[in-house]
Amino acid sequence: KDQVFQPSTVASSEGAVVEIFCNHSVSNAYNFFWYLHFPGCAPRLLVKGSKPSQQGRYNMTYERFSSSLLILQVREADAAVYYCAVCASGGSYIPTFGRGTSLIVHP
Amino acid sequence: GAVVSQHPSRVICKSGTSVKIECRSLDFQATTMFWYRQFPKQSLMLMATSNEGSKATYEQGVEKDKFLINHASLTLSTLTVTSAHPEDSSFYICSARGGEAQPQHFGDGTRLSIL
Repeated sequence: KDQVFQPSTVASSEGAVVEIFCNHSVSNAYNFFWYLHFPGCAPRLLVKGSKPSQQGRYNMTYERFSSSLLILQVREADAAVYYCAVCASGGSYIPTFGRGTSLIVHP
Repeated sequence: GAVVSQHPSRVICKSGTSVKIECRSLDFQATTMFWYRQFPKQSLMLMATSNEGSKATYEQGVEKDKFLINHASLTLSTLTVTSAHPEDSSFYICSARGGEAQPQHFGDGTRLSIL
């Protein structure tokens, strides 16, 4: 069964660079998606792709079976749940989501 | 761009009531829409995938007769929770995408509370 794995919790201090790691067992994976989710709101796409990419303070690394989301200069307001999703080519292209990583930011 | 509107944002109703939740893509045509459920302190759980004009594909363990999904147009999908019971209380989120290689865009979710 295709699965996506990410840590349940990551903690950091304000101002640091935070890394959230994701790896998967999805066959024919070609794209990673990283979403930010504040409870009660719509998950928001941060960065995506099949190669390293950057959007503002969000960097995404890319390997065939893993990706990391790097948040630069993390702030207390970044405390939320971050989801990694992997999309595979072929079939219905239904993305597989990880269980989410809760980011804790200490002042 | 890529805005998804979900309505209502909150529903409180009595046990046995059927509840309809709408999901609309406002500025793009959504060939595929997804419905998720999230229980407190748990991850997003995919319930079903719907493609415009065809029957929804349900994930294992999700009752298709309990959660009716209609995707009649490229901008609208509806989820009807039939004869809802307290155990159906949850946060339901829809998402839509314009093509197979496109990212999903999520609605703000619906908080369903069954008394």
